Amino acid sequence: EAQVTQNPRYLITVTGKKLTVTCSQNMNHEYMSWYRQDPGLGLRQIYYSMNVEVTDKGDVPEGYKVSRKEKRNFPLILESPSPNQTSLYFCASRGLDRRNQPQHFGDGTRLSIL
Amino acid sequence: DAKTTQPNSMESNEEEPVHLPCNHSTISGTDYIHWYRQLPSQGPEYVIHGLTSNVNNRMASLAIAEDRKSSTLILHRATLRDAAVYYCILGKAGSQGNLIFGKGTKLSVKP
Repeated sequence: EAQVTQNPRYLITVTGKKLTVTCSQNMNHEYMSWYRQDPGLGLRQIYYSMNVEVTDKGDVPEGYKVSRKEKRNFPLILESPSPNQTSLYFCASRGLDRRNQPQHFGDGTRLSIL
Repeated sequence: DAKTTQPNSMESNEEEPVHLPCNHSTISGTDYIHWYRQLPSQGPEYVIHGLTSNVNNRMASLAIAEDRKSSTLILHRATLRDAAVYYCILGKAGSQGNLIFGKGTKLSVKP
């Protein structure tokens, strides 16, 4: 089954304690992306990657890092989390051939930073 | 990147058609029009996309204006399960295929 898998689904942690949210897709997609969703603000893009070792900032990259060492994985790293990063996070992937494939989303990760 | 404009919210009655509008006056010739929806407590899911011609699938229809500066997502018979936030997005195929989401339209369906 085609899937985008995020872990953990829920996390409560404290300010300053480094954390990583993993994202993995099994569709051999070139493109992967991270979004955060806050009430009234829709989906805002944090970082995206067009392929292995190629990453770019989205609209709200401050306080986040990403890496794309393998095609299937795109972890989101919060080196020193702060309370304003409390949010619902979604990972997504998409094939980039000329068929204009749809984007697939994970089920979300709800982070609470105390 | 070209932007889209959607109403913040819309209401519909169950089993009636729903027309969700989207304006994209700065669309370029290579931009596809995508629609996604997000049900409560779930990640967004793909609904439909098109370039120039109207499109139909099992979920919805997409009507694209002749000048491509606007489009309408049509749900032929709204059900309570169609209550969601609907996002209209412009995106290119291939290596420029980054999709930028906005705030979308929150659709409420009344029984």
